[in-house]
Amino acid sequence: QLQLQESGSRLVKPSQTLSLTCVVSGGSISSGDYAWSWSRQPPGRGLEYIGYIYHGGTTYHNPSLRSRVTISMDRSRNQFSLKMTSVTAADTAVYYCAREKVGDDGGYFDNWGRGTLVTVSS
Amino acid sequence: DIHMTQSPSSLSASVGDRVTITCRASEGLNGWLAWYQQKPGKAPKLLIYRVSSLQSGVPSRFSGSGSGTDFTLTISSLQPDDFATYYCQQYKAYRTFGQGTKVEIK
Repeated sequence: QLQLQESGSRLVKPSQTLSLTCVVSGGSISSGDYAWSWSRQPPGRGLEYIGYIYHGGTTYHNPSLRSRVTISMDRSRNQFSLKMTSVTAADTAVYYCAREKVGDDGGYFDNWGRGTLVTVSS
Repeated sequence: DIHMTQSPSSLSASVGDRVTITCRASEGLNGWLAWYQQKPGKAPKLLIYRVSSLQSGVPSRFSGSGSGTDFTLTISSLQPDDFATYYCQQYKAYRTFGQGTKVEIK
């Protein structure tokens, strides 16, 4: 059974860098059928897509965040990571990692991590 | 960006009711639409993809329909476990979510 688990800094100071890792178990991130993605949800609000990384290393980032976001993967550890620079209070949110179906009918998220709350505050 | 608008933003219903949630896209999606259920403090759960395809393990009381820019999620007979927030998501161009519809107990 596929499981995803987020970990990383829970409290980040404004202007610093947010760093999160998603460890995947029960499946390989090298699978060609899936991409590995990040989304976030500010407290009491809706979901915002951040971006994905594909097994070959191709990445996509939400244009509204692109210049601040880096998504990378470590195949040897079966995990992928998110870094977001120059954070502000507006980046306070629950951050989710998820598996994204790719291919001709892909683009939806069929497995999610439990999410981790990241607070930006001095 | 493709903008997704859900209606209503919240609704109250009773167990056994038929519930319908609408999602409208700012442009045609060619069928690239999914629905998720989210309970408080939990991750979203995929219910439906490609407008009407039921994800494995999801009860058959959930169904999806629509085309072009207008889509619907229907719960045929609301159960206690269904009180949650529901989101639509387009995947025609990148990925965007609707703002959510909260289904509450009447």
